[in-house]
Amino acid sequence: GAGVSQSPSNKVTEKGKDVELRCDPISGHTALYWYRQSLGQGLEFLIYFQGNSAPDKSGLPSDRFSAERTGGSVSTLTIQRTQQEDSAVYLCASSLSGVAGHDTQYFGPGTRLTVL
Amino acid sequence: GNSVTQMEGPVTLSEEAFLTINCTYTATGYPSLFWYVQYPGEGLQLLLKATKADDKGSNKGFEATYRKETTSFHLEKGSVQVSDSAVYFCALSDRSGGGADGLTFGKGTHLIIQP
Repeated sequence: GAGVSQSPSNKVTEKGKDVELRCDPISGHTALYWYRQSLGQGLEFLIYFQGNSAPDKSGLPSDRFSAERTGGSVSTLTIQRTQQEDSAVYLCASSLSGVAGHDTQYFGPGTRLTVL
Repeated sequence: GNSVTQMEGPVTLSEEAFLTINCTYTATGYPSLFWYVQYPGEGLQLLLKATKADDKGSNKGFEATYRKETTSFHLEKGSVQVSDSAVYFCALSDRSGGGADGLTFGKGTHLIIQP
């Protein structure tokens, strides 16, 4: 079946603009995760959804970052008033349940965000 | 908090050499441990995992054993191939403290295999 998909694959924006990144998880996966991959920081966990709720938002870097998930499926990560330090690859992953820590997370190809 | 430490490389080996990539972790509870691999131009994919102490994960000739006494999960392969060239990430998931399921990753090890 289809894997995790993300759009757009690349996004170039100007400093101060808002951006929306989209993630389509594997069908039937209730858990969804957002990560950020950057040269300086490596792979950082941002937020986790179980169904439509996000029990833990502590990984979001600032209040300019927000995420939502509707219908237990598609998720959107929004970055307001983008800054140059937001430039990174944003990865989405999904897993079957997320209840047990050993669930395998399946990653999408990522969105490469460049803030000029 | 949780953390994962691994050698960053690049690690350069000749084909058919023995590979070890060290990984040690710090966790508050009883984590599950993972190795993910990122091939050039591709996304992250799970290579192997172990969910409790003394478990051995294996896949594609790679192995790693969950050692609780040394808090380690070293990745090994007996004979590497050029196609194994990639970036390898060690990671843990620790939900025993009631936290989220987000993975904590090491910085990644860039492996280069020369023919």
